[in-house]
Amino acid sequence: KNQVEQSPQSLIILEGKNCTLQCNYTVSPFSNLRWYKQDTGRGPVSLTIMTFSENTKSNGRYTATLDADTKQSSLHITASQLSDSASYICVVVGGTSYGKLTFGQGTILTVHP
Amino acid sequence: GAGVSQSPSNKVTEKGKDVELRCDPISGHTALYWYRQRLGQGLEFLIYFQGNSAPDKSGLPSDRFSAERTGESVSTLTIQRTQQEDSAVYLCASSWGTGRTGVYEQYFGPGTRLTVT
Repeated sequence: KNQVEQSPQSLIILEGKNCTLQCNYTVSPFSNLRWYKQDTGRGPVSLTIMTFSENTKSNGRYTATLDADTKQSSLHITASQLSDSASYICVVVGGTSYGKLTFGQGTILTVHP
Repeated sequence: GAGVSQSPSNKVTEKGKDVELRCDPISGHTALYWYRQRLGQGLEFLIYFQGNSAPDKSGLPSDRFSAERTGESVSTLTIQRTQQEDSAVYLCASSWGTGRTGVYEQYFGPGTRLTVT
């Protein structure tokens, strides 16, 4: 069964600190992996998209890594800001001919001043 | 430019009633997706449209759920005889296409929060 698991479920950090979110997946065949940010009451917004051959991709203060051999990914956030408080969702694309998305449960990040 | 829009933003309905949720995708996007997000849970795939056809409707939870798309544009998700377990946020997304690699970005709407009392 195609699954995406994220850890931790929730995380509280102080403003300015760094944090790392984890994602493990079993989706096969694999096409690409995405990290989304979902603010409360909003739809998810894409942060990064990584294909099989990419192992690191950055978007500002967000850096995603991918190890396709171990089927693991991480999202590192540096110098956190209050606006980073959101749910971060790991999404793996694959398993079908059209690239179906399989979503993780998300990690709820809270940044305190 | 306009993003994906959904209406209504909130819907409260009584158990047993039918509801219709609307999605207006980004103009020109050929692929459209519906997802459900229950409180505290991840997004669940419901159905995917390519043009006006639905090649994958495997995520629809029961025959009370149906969806259609017309004019390769607007889509409507209908839930008949609503149950309390249908309470969730229903999200719509659209993309330029799909393809085997699935690298086309999906743009999400704000969702419709459905509450069945």
